[in-house]
Amino acid sequence: AQKITQTQPGMFVQEKEAVTLDCTYDTSDPSYGLFWYKQPSSGEMIFLIYQGSYDQQNATEGRYSLNFQKARKSANLVISASQLGDSAMYFCAMRAHTGGFKTIFGAGTRLFVKA
Amino acid sequence: DVKVTQSSRYLVKRTGEKVFLECVQDMDHENMFWYRQDPGLGLRLIYFSYDVKMKEKGDIPEGYSVSREKKERFSLILESASTNQTSMYLCASSLSPWGGDSDIQYFGAGTRLSVL
Repeated sequence: AQKITQTQPGMFVQEKEAVTLDCTYDTSDPSYGLFWYKQPSSGEMIFLIYQGSYDQQNATEGRYSLNFQKARKSANLVISASQLGDSAMYFCAMRAHTGGFKTIFGAGTRLFVKA
Repeated sequence: DVKVTQSSRYLVKRTGEKVFLECVQDMDHENMFWYRQDPGLGLRLIYFSYDVKMKEKGDIPEGYSVSREKKERFSLILESASTNQTSMYLCASSLSPWGGDSDIQYFGAGTRLSVL
């Protein structure tokens, strides 16, 4: 069975500091994609970053990077230099070929950035 | 930029009413999805479509149906709304089913539906 686990329901970080949001996944498929989305209080889900299972390097997009540890089946999101606008829910997601068209989402982590 | 537009941000309906939630995307994406999001339950897939007039049930299709007559439009239908369908509904689209970053889903702003 495929599964995404986010063990941190809530996280606090001081403005301008870095924060790591944890994500572990489970799949037996060697080919899969991992995604992170941000959901502000307005409700819209915003795509942040993508990592393919065969990618040799960790993905980066501006202040976001994905710490991909394949053997541990973890795909943690690192946000550098946190800003007040980073306060939101963050969801880790995965699509594996054996899952058909479905993308599965974790339960999410709520991040609070303190001034 | 990809744009996914949901017809309403907020909707209030009565029990038993037929409800239509509309979603339009402007990037010629093959795949479209409907999710509902409830506190503590995360995102749950209701239906998805990988081509015009094609649809597949997701994890919680009961009480819902969908229509995709044109590639850009994917409608979610509540045949007879019930109070347990009060939720946030999110529509998404992705480029193709071929893996890689074509799987990235782009979401609409969501519709908060209240059924009284």
